[in-house]
Amino acid sequence: QKEVEQDPGPLSVPEGAIVSLNCTYSNSAFQYFMWYRQYSRKGPELLMYTYSSGNKEDGRFTAQVDKSSKYISLFIRDSQPSDSATYLCAMISGNTGKLIFGQGTTLQVKP
Amino acid sequence: DTGVSQDPRHKITKRGQNVTFRCDPISEHNRLYWYRQTLGQGPEFLTYFQNEAQLEKSRLLSDRFSAERPKGSFSTLEIQRTEQGDSAMYLCASSGDGLSYEQYFGPGTRLTVT
Repeated sequence: QKEVEQDPGPLSVPEGAIVSLNCTYSNSAFQYFMWYRQYSRKGPELLMYTYSSGNKEDGRFTAQVDKSSKYISLFIRDSQPSDSATYLCAMISGNTGKLIFGQGTTLQVKP
Repeated sequence: DTGVSQDPRHKITKRGQNVTFRCDPISEHNRLYWYRQTLGQGPEFLTYFQNEAQLEKSRLLSDRFSAERPKGSFSTLEIQRTEQGDSAMYLCASSGDGLSYEQYFGPGTRLTVT
């Protein structure tokens, strides 16, 4: 079993929809949680970073962490075609800061 | 541009050849990471430097792989006797000191071994 599970999709939604992306994890030692966006053949781009249970909002993006359920989510409001990308959840393991990634979910927002 | 840079962006090599990649992190960042990403998968951790010290290596990093960060600035990743299974995107990331573990990635080097 992988430490971080993420449904690879693909997920296709119409423009303007609310998108929900999710990851589950098995290691209760994970304390820091990140979401990255990756366009095709590009490096991952940091979207959100959080370390506590609850919600964190940044513009159209909301990151949600539930440590008791070992479950994190990323919500995208008013989705745009430019949001079409692969979304990767990642968690910090140990005190070196190395990231453990999910497989990534491919999102397509149709105009 | 003050982001993480990597060179080359693409490398095609024949099996058995050696290749070397370079990463220039964000200038004030003392933590540097290498990851490898294959198609349809998330990046996998390879190794970590704090300044010039290599503090962690993954089991994925076989003895054909070596990484250096000689002066605590740029880093190189060398793969000796490349195999077709080494074909992947090699990503470099950096982060600052302290409690912030936010990592910023470079554009990656795409390696194809023929």
